[in-house]
Amino acid sequence: AQTVTQSQPEMSVQEAETVTLSCTYDTSESDYYLFWYKQPPSRQMILVIRQEAYKQQNATENRFSVNFQKAAKSFSLKISDSQLGDAAMYFCAYRSARSRGNAGNMLTFGGGTRLMVKP
Amino acid sequence: GAGVSQSPSNKVTEKGKDVELRCDPISGHTALYWYRQRLGQGLEFLIYFQGNSAPDKSGLPSDRFSAERTGESVSTLTIQRTQQEDSAVYLCASSLLWTRGDNEQFFGPGTRLTVL
Repeated sequence: AQTVTQSQPEMSVQEAETVTLSCTYDTSESDYYLFWYKQPPSRQMILVIRQEAYKQQNATENRFSVNFQKAAKSFSLKISDSQLGDAAMYFCAYRSARSRGNAGNMLTFGGGTRLMVKP
Repeated sequence: GAGVSQSPSNKVTEKGKDVELRCDPISGHTALYWYRQRLGQGLEFLIYFQGNSAPDKSGLPSDRFSAERTGESVSTLTIQRTQQEDSAVYLCASSLLWTRGDNEQFFGPGTRLTVL
């Protein structure tokens, strides 16, 4: 079974600064997807960024980028030019790319990191 | 173009009562997932539906939990004889047919269940 670990329960960043959220995972598979989700107080899960394990290039989405280290099983999220609206819970998630027949490919989530942004 | 909707938004019930939670997926999404999120924790997979195939129930924590889905439409999650440890936010997600795991799951706003 896969596990996802987020070792930082809380992080704080000054507005306009850069912050990095850590995530490690454990799997025996070679083909999978990794995700970062944002969950504001509204509870709505919002996909921030996605990385395909077979791609060496790190994914980027505007101010959000990842540092994907496959051998180390590490997948950190960097938020540049932090904004007040970035304050939320951030979850790292894993999803297998292997067909499981009738079974679904559910997401396996880490415990989350609460990001606070100081004005 | 509505997203995934869930009802009720909040539910308070007494220990021992049964509850039903509803999820309306995005139209055309054949895959539907239920997750549970306990306070301060990440999401845990509960059950998965894919069209008319038998559901994947591998994440259900006990036989008090069950879910139904008719075709590719609404799903209901039922918790019988609720316990205080069932208190959590229950999130539903839907996606297009799974292909290599790359179809995005779109989440609803969840139902916060409180068992007194």
